Amino acid sequence: DQQVKQNSPSLSVQEGRISILNCDYTNSMFDYFLWYKKYPAEGPTFLISISSIKDKNEDGRFTVFLNKSAKHLSLHIVPSQPGDSAVYFCAASALRYGGSQGNLIFGKGTKLSVKP
Amino acid sequence: KAGVTQTPRYLIKTRGQQVTLSCSPISGHRSVSWYQQTPGQGLQFLFEYFSETQRNKGNFPGRFSGRQFSNSRSEMNVSTLELGDSALYLCASSLSTSVDGELFFGEGSRLTVL
Repeated sequence: DQQVKQNSPSLSVQEGRISILNCDYTNSMFDYFLWYKKYPAEGPTFLISISSIKDKNEDGRFTVFLNKSAKHLSLHIVPSQPGDSAVYFCAASALRYGGSQGNLIFGKGTKLSVKP
Repeated sequence: KAGVTQTPRYLIKTRGQQVTLSCSPISGHRSVSWYQQTPGQGLQFLFEYFSETQRNKGNFPGRFSGRQFSNSRSEMNVSTLELGDSALYLCASSLSTSVDGELFFGEGSRLTVL
């Protein structure tokens, strides 16, 4: 049973437009959420995170929104750039219930392609 | 500073063999985690070590084991390899296991089982 779901395997966006990547989770104990980006032949790199006490966190062009009642989070990239083309993974942890930063539950990823 | 280093980067084994993968964390990092990445399942958590102690273990059979040494370097071992063990094995390190401990990943060890 998948606890973190990224239902869109791929997404194509024009350069300069907004990219919206979605993630749903089923475990109500999750209280910390992260997004990682992965280029081919490289390990994932941390992008942005959000605690369940917040509903929004922003870092430059990247904003993560959390809707706890819907168990849904999304990553917005504005404006999208060709260098953003990568696979994006959503991840979650239940820090208050024995989870930790190193023990993350990942979604299967969404491949973002930003066209020039 | 140097990132997370994983060796070997690529290896080919046959069914029934065993394999040992190595991970050197970022200097000063005491927490090491291992993940398996396959096309169908994404990244799945294997284990987490902190100060030579296994803190968490994922839902993998006992053929998968690991350990951490006093210098924080870690190894994972897979015995009696099966075709389904073919995957990219990723190691990640962090300063601690706290909420502020950002996870840094290595480039992975790609295992092919024939």
